[in-house]
Amino acid sequence: DAGVIQSPRHEVTEMGQEVTLRCKPISGHNSLFWYRQTMMRGLELLIYFNNNVPIDDSGMPEDRFSAKMPNASFSTLKIQPSEPRDSAVYFCASSFRRGGNTGELFFGEGSRLTVL
Amino acid sequence: DQQVKQNSPSLSVQEGRISILNCDYTNSMFDYFLWYKKYPAEGPTFLISISSIKDKNEDGRFTVFLNKSAKHLSLHIVPSQPGDSAVYFCAAGKGGGSNYKLTFGKGTLLTVNP
Repeated sequence: DAGVIQSPRHEVTEMGQEVTLRCKPISGHNSLFWYRQTMMRGLELLIYFNNNVPIDDSGMPEDRFSAKMPNASFSTLKIQPSEPRDSAVYFCASSFRRGGNTGELFFGEGSRLTVL
Repeated sequence: DQQVKQNSPSLSVQEGRISILNCDYTNSMFDYFLWYKKYPAEGPTFLISISSIKDKNEDGRFTVFLNKSAKHLSLHIVPSQPGDSAVYFCAAGKGGGSNYKLTFGKGTLLTVNP
């Protein structure tokens, strides 16, 4: 079975440019999460969706960040304009949620972003 | 405000010995705790979990202990193997139904020396 698929795996861009990260969750999963990993802050939850609806975006750093989930099999995280401090590894994760679910997430391999 | 804390950034142990990774949390509303393992250039993968109604869960070489009064959990790996070398993340979950989410610690790099 295919796991969570993220693209691109690596992105190097210049400050001010728009960055779009993509995620395809595991088929049948109904929740999708975007996390960011940095040395200073570890794994931070940015936003998560349940049944394609954003539930909690309190972790989104600022208005430069936006995320969409137009359907059950695709999500994007966009940064516009990008800044050097956005450099990090961005992970997408998905799970199947229902009442009493244990909260186990399945992660993609991540998108490493470098903003020069 | 770090609700899940892993105070040891790294740990080094000899092959065959026990590895003990520690995690503290501040929010008493957390009702589920998980450990994830991460190799370089890969995403984290689920390792083991424990519900807040239990104090121990064992799966092969891995055991997680939960001390709710101290808001502390630990992961024991016995015996440790070089393939266990990875970053280990502690995670805690709260909320019900569609509002469930996980909060992660910063991770501990475990190195198991042959």
